[in-house]
Amino acid sequence: QSALTQPASVSGSPGQSITISCTGTSNDVGSYRLVSWYQQYPGKAPKVIIYEVTKRPSGISDRISASKSGNTASLTISGLQAEDEADYYCCSFARGDTFVFGGGTTVTVL
Amino acid sequence: QVQLQESGPGLVKPSETLSLTCTVSGGSISSGSYFWSWIRQPAGKGLEFIGRIYSSGTTNYNPSLKSRATISRDTSKNQFSLNLSSVSAADTAVYYCVRYVGSGGHVLSDVFDVWGRGTTVTVSS
Repeated sequence: QSALTQPASVSGSPGQSITISCTGTSNDVGSYRLVSWYQQYPGKAPKVIIYEVTKRPSGISDRISASKSGNTASLTISGLQAEDEADYYCCSFARGDTFVFGGGTTVTVL
Repeated sequence: QVQLQESGPGLVKPSETLSLTCTVSGGSISSGSYFWSWIRQPAGKGLEFIGRIYSSGTTNYNPSLKSRATISRDTSKNQFSLNLSSVSAADTAVYYCVRYVGSGGHVLSDVFDVWGRGTTVTVSS
């Protein structure tokens, strides 16, 4: 079972949009609509920002959206703001009743 | 509001067993469609699912850790625990206890929704 593949870093200027990809296999992302995304600030615990591929918890900005196609899930942050600078992790339920996370993507606001 | 708090030794010797406990407040670990999980994160690296225990007591583990990890619960204390045997430096990480909410009648579903603050465990002699 390998980690999901995410780009190590993504950057953008304030107001721009960025997209983070999360590539898995037919044993995880490709077979289940159980992909979630987490935002983590340094020294803090992760916080859920997307669940079940596209759903946003209450209180999460509508600038955040997500999707999935085949074995790849994607997270988009539009109207980039300084507060979006953080690490982002995708997670998928996987065959065998387990979970696999991505390696994480550091978002930098230029 | 449910809160989770990890506790346990911050330093463990190689080849010994790492033991952590998570105390849950604001909700019972033996009711509802919740799984009580352990996730770890080595410094500067990504998250890794270790395993989880359902409110009924059923467990699931990461296949790569299954032979060394045991998750158990004490419903009288509203706690669940992680034992990780034969540890090495590779097990040095921040360990989080986390609630996973299953599907069925919840605001959120099928997601790790409540996280503890995490506890740092170092494996060193």
